[in-house]
Amino acid sequence: DGGITQSPKYLFRKEGQNVTLSCEQNLNHDAMYWYRQDPGQGLRLIYYSQIVNDFQKGDIAEGYSVSREKKESFPLTVTSAQKNPTAFYLCASTRNHNLGDSPLHFGNGTRLTVT
Amino acid sequence: LAKTTQPISMDSYEGQEVNITCSHNNIATNDYITWYQQFPSQGPRFIIQGYKTKVTNEVASLFIPADRKSSTLSLPRVSLSDTAVYYCLGRDSGSARQLTFGSGTQLTVLP
Repeated sequence: DGGITQSPKYLFRKEGQNVTLSCEQNLNHDAMYWYRQDPGQGLRLIYYSQIVNDFQKGDIAEGYSVSREKKESFPLTVTSAQKNPTAFYLCASTRNHNLGDSPLHFGNGTRLTVT
Repeated sequence: LAKTTQPISMDSYEGQEVNITCSHNNIATNDYITWYQQFPSQGPRFIIQGYKTKVTNEVASLFIPADRKSSTLSLPRVSLSDTAVYYCLGRDSGSARQLTFGSGTQLTVLP
């Protein structure tokens, strides 16, 4: 079955450490996205990538970094510069960022806790 | 950015029809309006999308007026398992065409 895999499901880190969240898709989608969700809140866009070797900042990119070296993979690094990193992180993909009828497919998220 | 506005919460009883309306300004001309369902600690799941007028699938209907400034998700005969957060999604008509979620509507279905 095609889909998006996020790992790990739960992640714990000490303050001041960088941490990388994995996102892999086998849907052959060009575009991939990272969203952050805080308790009781909606989804906020961190970064997105329309195609391999390209990515753009979303609304809350500060303290995060991404890479898109392969079509299937879009890892997110939460750096020590991110002031409130504890959150639920969701990765998504779509066939093409510019197609108006191409819905997002989501992974099941990684819950990051930083103490 | 395309800002979507939805009611924060709604309650319903099992077996009733539920309508959730989303207002969206600055929606991109060629883009569809898409609705998602999210359960706690899971990723959102696609429900339905449409461009204008009415679309129906096996789980929901979507009504979009001609001006496309709003859309209404209709869930027929809800059950307890429909308790979830529902999001409408619009794409910004600006050059970045970012996919921006609204704050979502928490639907609680009561027995």
